Amino acid sequence: KAGVTQTPRYLIKTRGQQVTLSCSPISGHRSVSWYQQTPGQGLQFLFEYFSETQRNKGNFPGRFSGRQFSNSRSEMNVSTLELGDSALYLCASSEGGRTDTQYFGPGTRLTVL
Amino acid sequence: AQSVAQPEDQVNVAEGNPLTVKCTYSVSGNPYLFWYVQYPNRGLQFLLKYITGDNLVKGSYGFEAEFNKSQTSFHLKKPSALVSDSALYFCAVRALAELSFGAGTTVTVRA
Repeated sequence: KAGVTQTPRYLIKTRGQQVTLSCSPISGHRSVSWYQQTPGQGLQFLFEYFSETQRNKGNFPGRFSGRQFSNSRSEMNVSTLELGDSALYLCASSEGGRTDTQYFGPGTRLTVL
Repeated sequence: AQSVAQPEDQVNVAEGNPLTVKCTYSVSGNPYLFWYVQYPNRGLQFLLKYITGDNLVKGSYGFEAEFNKSQTSFHLKKPSALVSDSALYFCAVRALAELSFGAGTTVTVRA
Protein backbone atom coordinates (compact mmCIF):
# COMPACT_ATOMS: atom_id res chain seq x y z
CA LYS A 1 0.00 0.00 0.00
CA ALA A 2 1.09 3.53 -0.66
CA GLY A 3 1.95 5.55 2.42
CA VAL A 4 0.56 8.83 3.62
CA THR A 5 1.26 11.65 1.20
CA GLN A 6 1.30 15.36 1.91
CA THR A 7 1.38 18.26 -0.51
CA PRO A 8 3.10 20.56 -0.90
CA ARG A 9 6.32 19.51 0.81
CA TYR A 10 7.58 23.05 1.20
CA LEU A 11 5.76 26.35 1.34
CA ILE A 12 6.81 29.95 1.88
CA LYS A 13 4.19 32.54 2.78
CA THR A 14 4.13 36.03 4.23
CA ARG A 15 2.36 37.25 7.35
CA GLY A 16 -1.35 37.76 6.91
CA GLN A 17 -1.72 35.28 4.08
CA GLN A 18 -3.59 32.02 4.34
CA VAL A 19 -2.46 28.54 3.41
CA THR A 20 -4.03 25.15 2.68
CA LEU A 21 -2.19 21.89 3.21
CA SER A 22 -3.33 18.56 1.87
CA CYS A 23 -3.05 15.01 3.18
CA SER A 24 -3.94 11.74 1.47
CA PRO A 25 -4.20 8.85 3.92
CA ILE A 26 -3.32 5.21 3.45
CA SER A 27 -6.04 3.44 1.48
CA GLY A 28 -8.76 2.19 3.80
CA HIS A 29 -7.86 4.50 6.67
CA ARG A 30 -10.73 6.68 7.84
CA SER A 31 -8.94 8.76 10.47
CA VAL A 32 -6.60 11.65 9.73
CA SER A 33 -4.83 13.60 12.47
CA TRP A 34 -2.77 16.76 12.10
CA TYR A 35 0.21 17.83 14.21
CA GLN A 36 2.44 20.87 14.34
CA GLN A 37 6.13 20.29 15.05
CA THR A 38 8.42 23.12 16.15
CA PRO A 39 11.80 23.10 17.92
CA GLY A 40 10.38 24.96 20.89
CA GLN A 41 7.01 23.27 21.40
CA GLY A 42 7.70 19.84 19.99
CA LEU A 43 4.83 17.84 18.53
CA GLN A 44 1.44 19.35 19.23
CA PHE A 45 -1.90 17.88 18.26
CA LEU A 46 -4.09 20.08 16.07
CA PHE A 47 -7.17 17.99 15.28
CA GLU A 48 -8.44 14.62 14.17
CA TYR A 49 -11.03 13.83 11.55
CA PHE A 50 -12.90 10.55 11.26
CA SER A 51 -15.42 9.85 8.53
CA GLU A 52 -15.64 13.56 7.61
CA THR A 53 -16.30 14.67 11.22
CA GLN A 54 -13.91 16.41 13.55
CA ARG A 55 -13.52 14.01 16.45
CA ASN A 56 -10.88 15.71 18.59
CA LYS A 57 -9.36 19.16 18.67
CA GLY A 58 -6.17 20.46 20.24
CA ASN A 59 -5.53 23.80 21.86
CA PHE A 60 -4.97 25.98 18.81
CA PRO A 61 -6.69 29.24 17.82
CA GLY A 62 -9.59 29.29 15.40
CA ARG A 63 -7.23 30.38 12.59
CA PHE A 64 -6.40 26.70 12.28
CA SER A 65 -9.15 24.67 10.68
CA GLY A 66 -9.53 21.49 8.74
CA ARG A 67 -11.88 19.25 6.89
CA GLN A 68 -12.09 15.75 5.57
CA PHE A 69 -13.63 14.59 2.35
CA SER A 70 -15.66 11.48 1.59
CA ASN A 71 -12.54 9.75 0.21
CA SER A 72 -10.81 10.42 3.59
CA ARG A 73 -8.42 12.96 2.13
CA SER A 74 -7.99 15.89 4.47
CA GLU A 75 -7.03 19.51 4.20
CA MET A 76 -5.87 21.90 6.85
CA ASN A 77 -6.12 25.65 6.53
CA VAL A 78 -4.35 28.38 8.43
CA SER A 79 -5.65 31.91 7.98
CA THR A 80 -3.94 35.21 8.81
CA LEU A 81 -0.53 33.62 9.09
CA GLU A 82 1.84 34.68 11.86
CA LEU A 83 5.59 34.23 12.08
CA GLY A 84 5.05 31.69 14.85
CA ASP A 85 3.13 29.44 12.48
CA SER A 86 6.39 28.46 10.81
CA ALA A 87 6.66 24.74 11.47
CA LEU A 88 6.61 21.25 10.06
CA TYR A 89 2.99 20.15 9.72
CA LEU A 90 2.51 16.42 9.89
CA CYS A 91 -0.54 14.40 9.13
CA ALA A 92 -1.10 10.83 10.21
CA SER A 93 -3.69 8.27 9.18
CA SER A 94 -5.08 5.24 10.94
CA GLU A 95 -8.08 2.94 10.89
CA GLY A 96 -9.57 5.07 13.64
CA GLY A 97 -9.52 3.02 16.84
CA ARG A 98 -7.68 4.21 19.93
CA THR A 99 -5.24 1.31 19.76
CA ASP A 100 -4.62 1.63 16.03
CA THR A 101 -1.22 2.80 14.88
CA GLN A 102 -1.00 6.23 13.30
CA TYR A 103 1.18 6.33 10.20
CA PHE A 104 2.76 9.64 9.37
CA GLY A 105 3.38 11.45 6.14
CA PRO A 106 6.64 13.27 5.35
CA GLY A 107 5.23 16.61 6.42
CA THR A 108 4.84 20.07 4.91
CA ARG A 109 7.50 22.59 5.91
CA LEU A 110 5.79 25.99 6.19
CA THR A 111 7.89 29.11 6.46
CA VAL A 112 6.17 32.40 7.24
CA LEU A 113 8.16 35.56 6.40
CA ALA B 1 -5.34 14.20 31.31
CA GLN B 2 -2.40 12.41 29.77
CA SER B 3 1.27 13.27 29.43
CA VAL B 4 4.60 11.76 28.50
CA ALA B 5 8.07 12.58 29.78
CA GLN B 6 11.34 11.73 28.12
CA PRO B 7 13.86 12.72 30.79
CA GLU B 8 16.92 12.71 28.52
CA ASP B 9 17.28 15.20 25.70
CA GLN B 10 20.26 13.32 24.32
CA VAL B 11 21.64 9.80 24.53
CA ASN B 12 25.11 8.96 23.23
CA VAL B 13 26.33 5.39 22.80
CA ALA B 14 29.06 3.57 20.95
CA GLU B 15 28.14 1.26 18.09
CA GLY B 16 27.61 -2.27 19.33
CA ASN B 17 26.64 -1.16 22.84
CA PRO B 18 23.13 -1.43 24.29
CA LEU B 19 20.82 1.52 23.70
CA THR B 20 18.10 2.63 26.09
CA VAL B 21 15.75 5.59 25.63
CA LYS B 22 13.61 6.36 28.66
CA CYS B 23 9.92 7.24 28.77
CA THR B 24 7.47 7.71 31.62
CA TYR B 25 3.78 8.48 31.27
CA SER B 26 0.80 9.74 33.20
CA VAL B 27 -2.76 8.84 32.21
CA SER B 28 -6.18 8.22 33.67
CA GLY B 29 -7.18 4.74 32.62
CA ASN B 30 -5.37 2.16 30.54
CA PRO B 31 -2.45 3.53 28.54
CA TYR B 32 -1.74 2.74 24.94
CA LEU B 33 1.94 3.45 24.37
CA PHE B 34 3.88 3.99 21.17
CA TRP B 35 7.44 4.65 20.03
CA TYR B 36 8.30 6.52 16.85
CA VAL B 37 11.59 7.52 15.22
CA GLN B 38 12.22 10.58 13.07
CA TYR B 39 15.13 11.06 10.70
CA PRO B 40 16.09 14.58 9.51
CA ASN B 41 13.48 16.20 7.27
CA ARG B 42 11.26 13.15 7.45
CA GLY B 43 7.99 12.23 9.07
CA LEU B 44 7.70 9.88 12.03
CA GLN B 45 8.21 6.15 11.55
CA PHE B 46 6.38 3.71 13.79
CA LEU B 47 8.60 1.35 15.80
CA LEU B 48 6.33 -0.50 18.23
CA LYS B 49 3.35 -0.23 20.55
CA TYR B 50 1.97 -1.65 23.78
CA ILE B 51 -1.75 -2.22 24.03
CA THR B 52 -2.17 -5.09 26.45
CA GLY B 53 -0.67 -8.47 27.31
CA ASP B 54 3.04 -9.28 27.41
CA ASN B 55 5.01 -6.44 28.98
CA LEU B 56 7.90 -6.92 26.55
CA VAL B 57 7.05 -5.66 23.09
CA LYS B 58 9.22 -6.34 20.05
CA GLY B 59 9.21 -3.96 17.12
CA SER B 60 10.96 -2.93 13.95
CA TYR B 61 14.72 -2.77 13.35
CA GLY B 62 15.58 -4.85 16.43
CA PHE B 63 13.98 -2.48 18.93
CA GLU B 64 11.96 -3.61 21.92
CA ALA B 65 10.27 -1.88 24.83
CA GLU B 66 9.23 -2.94 28.28
CA PHE B 67 5.98 -1.77 29.82
CA ASN B 68 6.20 -1.32 33.59
CA LYS B 69 2.87 -0.40 35.14
CA SER B 70 4.15 0.17 38.67
CA GLN B 71 6.83 2.58 37.47
CA THR B 72 4.60 4.00 34.70
CA SER B 73 7.46 3.56 32.25
CA PHE B 74 7.89 2.33 28.70
CA HIS B 75 11.61 2.38 27.95
CA LEU B 76 12.86 1.63 24.45
CA LYS B 77 15.83 -0.70 24.11
CA LYS B 78 18.12 -2.16 21.51
CA PRO B 79 20.75 -4.73 22.49
CA SER B 80 23.36 -3.59 19.97
CA ALA B 81 23.14 -0.07 18.52
CA LEU B 82 24.06 0.84 14.94
CA VAL B 83 25.30 4.15 13.59
CA SER B 84 22.16 4.21 11.45
CA ASP B 85 20.05 4.28 14.65
CA SER B 86 21.11 7.90 15.15
CA ALA B 87 17.85 9.86 15.04
CA LEU B 88 15.17 11.58 17.12
CA TYR B 89 12.97 9.22 19.13
CA PHE B 90 9.48 10.00 20.41
CA CYS B 91 7.39 8.21 23.00
CA ALA B 92 3.62 8.74 22.82
CA VAL B 93 0.59 7.81 24.90
CA ARG B 94 -3.08 7.61 24.10
CA ALA B 95 -5.74 6.95 26.73
CA LEU B 96 -9.00 8.60 25.78
CA ALA B 97 -8.50 11.21 23.12
CA GLU B 98 -5.55 12.22 21.02
CA LEU B 99 -1.99 10.90 20.87
CA SER B 100 0.30 12.90 23.19
CA PHE B 101 4.02 12.96 22.46
CA GLY B 102 7.06 13.43 24.63
CA ALA B 103 9.62 16.10 23.80
CA GLY B 104 11.85 13.62 22.04
CA THR B 105 15.32 12.17 22.68
CA THR B 106 18.15 12.62 20.22
CA VAL B 107 20.18 9.45 19.92
CA THR B 108 23.73 9.58 18.59
CA VAL B 109 25.56 6.33 17.95
CA ARG B 110 29.29 6.82 17.35
CA ALA B 111 31.32 4.44 15.24
